[in-house]
Amino acid sequence: DGGITQSPKYLFRKEGQNVTLSCEQNLNHDAMYWYRQDPGQGLRLIYYSQIVNDFQKGDIAEGYSVSREKKESFPLTVTSAQKNPTAFYLCASGRFPEQFFGPGTRLTVL
Amino acid sequence: KNEVEQSPQNLTAQEGEFITINCSYSVGISALHWLQQHPGGGIVSLFMLSSGKKKHGRLIATINIQEKHSSLHITASHPRDSAVYICAVISNYQLIWGAGTKLIIKP
Repeated sequence: DGGITQSPKYLFRKEGQNVTLSCEQNLNHDAMYWYRQDPGQGLRLIYYSQIVNDFQKGDIAEGYSVSREKKESFPLTVTSAQKNPTAFYLCASGRFPEQFFGPGTRLTVL
Repeated sequence: KNEVEQSPQNLTAQEGEFITINCSYSVGISALHWLQQHPGGGIVSLFMLSSGKKKHGRLIATINIQEKHSSLHITASHPRDSAVYICAVISNYQLIWGAGTKLIIKP
């Protein structure tokens, strides 16, 4: 089946630890995106990548890092520099403006 | 002030009621997107429109470009319609997201 997978669905980490969220797509999309969703707020763009080996900062990139070594994969690392990392993280892919979303990862930092 | 405002933030209704969710925006747009987010978190696209009206099953989306306003209507609502409905506008090659409207339909 074609789609976007994110793993894990729930993730718990201790404060000060880096954590990497996985995003894989088999839709053959060039562009991939990472969003953060907090209660009562719209989605906020963290990073996006329009092609392999290239990515751009979104509106809230501080404390996050990404890589795009393969077309299918766009992992997001939440570093210890991110001051408030507990949130719901959504990965998407697609040709702008149409986007297909993964199921999301809920990260809780204890 | 947010560039995209949705109202209401929360809506609870009885099964069978006609539902309206509103989206107002303050920027110039090329199109507007309505999406649905189920309790599990996944988001699916419902409509993308730049003028007029679109219908799919019990869902109807309208947009008035002059008034910078769009509405999403659900006819004969059902508990399975319970979800967060999100409006996003496409402006200058960016997506600007509304905060969402949480809809609960009671049986």
